[in-house]
Parts: sequence; C-alpha cells; structure tokens
Amino acid sequence: ETGVTQTPRHLVMGMTNKKSLKCEQHLGHNAMYWYKQSAKKPLELMFVYSLEERVENNSVPSRFSPECPNSSHLFLHLHTLQPEDSALYLCASSQAGASSYNEQFFGPGTRLTVL
Amino acid sequence: AQSVSQHNHHVILSEAASLELGCNYSYGGTVNLFWYVQYPGQHLQLLLKYFSGDPLVKGIKGFEAEFIKSKFSFNLRKPSVQWSDTAEYFCAVSNLYNQGGKLIFGQGTELSVKP
Repeated sequence: ETGVTQTPRHLVMGMTNKKSLKCEQHLGHNAMYWYKQSAKKPLELMFVYSLEERVENNSVPSRFSPECPNSSHLFLHLHTLQPEDSALYLCASSQAGASSYNEQFFGPGTRLTVL
Repeated sequence: AQSVSQHNHHVILSEAASLELGCNYSYGGTVNLFWYVQYPGQHLQLLLKYFSGDPLVKGIKGFEAEFIKSKFSFNLRKPSVQWSDTAEYFCAVSNLYNQGGKLIFGQGTELSVKP
C-alpha cells in the first residue's frame, strides 16, 4: 500500500449507531488531518494532529471523536450522528518541518450516509 | 479570518479550449498556495504549489498558475484542455507560519470538457 488509505470507503449508519472511520498513511508523515467535504461547500477542516497531539479542533460537535494512536493511524469515532453529517470524510497527512509542512496528501475518503 | 474564493462554480469547455480558473484569497501575510484536482471517483491530488520564487508555477498535466501578490490571486491556467481534465479543482491557501499546517480551501470549480 502506498499513500493514504481510508476504510471503509462507504458507510451507511443510523442515528443511534456507533462506527469508526480509519485512516492510515504510508508516507512517513507526522501530521494527519480530518476534513469534511459536502456538496457545493469548501472542504471543512475538522481536526489536526501533529506528532500525535491534537493541535486543532475546529468547533466540531462532540459526536465526532478523533483518535491518533501513532503517527501512521488516525481514527474518527462516530456516535449519534445527524442526517446533516452525511458527507465525504477525507483524511490527509503531511510532513511537519520547513516549507513542505503544508503540502497535504489525501486519502480517497469515506462516503458517509446517516439515515 | 482567512478565506479563499473561487469565482467559477461550474465551467464547461470544448476540447482544445483554453482554461483559466480564478482564485483569490484574503490573507495579507506570507502564504503557500496550492491547486488540487479531484477526478471523478478519485482522491484529491496536488496539481501544483507555490511556496516562493518564480510566481509562475508549472504543475503536472500541462497546468500552470500565476501568483500575483498585489491582487491576492493564484489563477490556474491550461492552454488547451482535454476531455480527461474533467474534474473538480480546488484552490487552497496556507499561512506560512501556521501551526498545524492548516489549509483553507475554496469551494471548488467543476470543470466539464466536451469531447
């Protein structure tokens, strides 16, 4: 595997379910990100982890809970979601340090549908 | 707050036509600038980036972009589009010294190229 992988690629869940999204990066990076992509809207940054510590949380509701156990893995735990949370959830990674810090590499995303 | 504006939501061109997609940003300091592309069913990929130096940046697949600091713009261009360029294009900006490598995205421009 190369690059950034995400599983599952598609997820349908009810509002009372608990599920988790997984992201794995194979690039040796030390920063990882969760974004939400909704139709006709800019990508919304949700969480940033740098060196396995959360450095940014963009006022995301508590029904979204991130976890970064190591520099290669990032999870997004979901519980009691709302239908408006249906979107494409993208994971990205980058390498902290120098000017390349901000070049992010994206995974294919998880298409989430909340019923 | 920083913001990125892409003026065209949907552009339709015939093959061999020239392309220019507009991107303006609001931050007045030193920035890193990016164009990402998302082909149908695929993940976001970096087209080109500007960190410093020559303001005319060349990317993959014949794309280029020009950074005009006085206009806060980073427009994407291609002299002759192909059907395979059909995709969604996202402009993104990052503050050079932004902790966490936060990228601010525009809302995207959908490009449809007619064969």
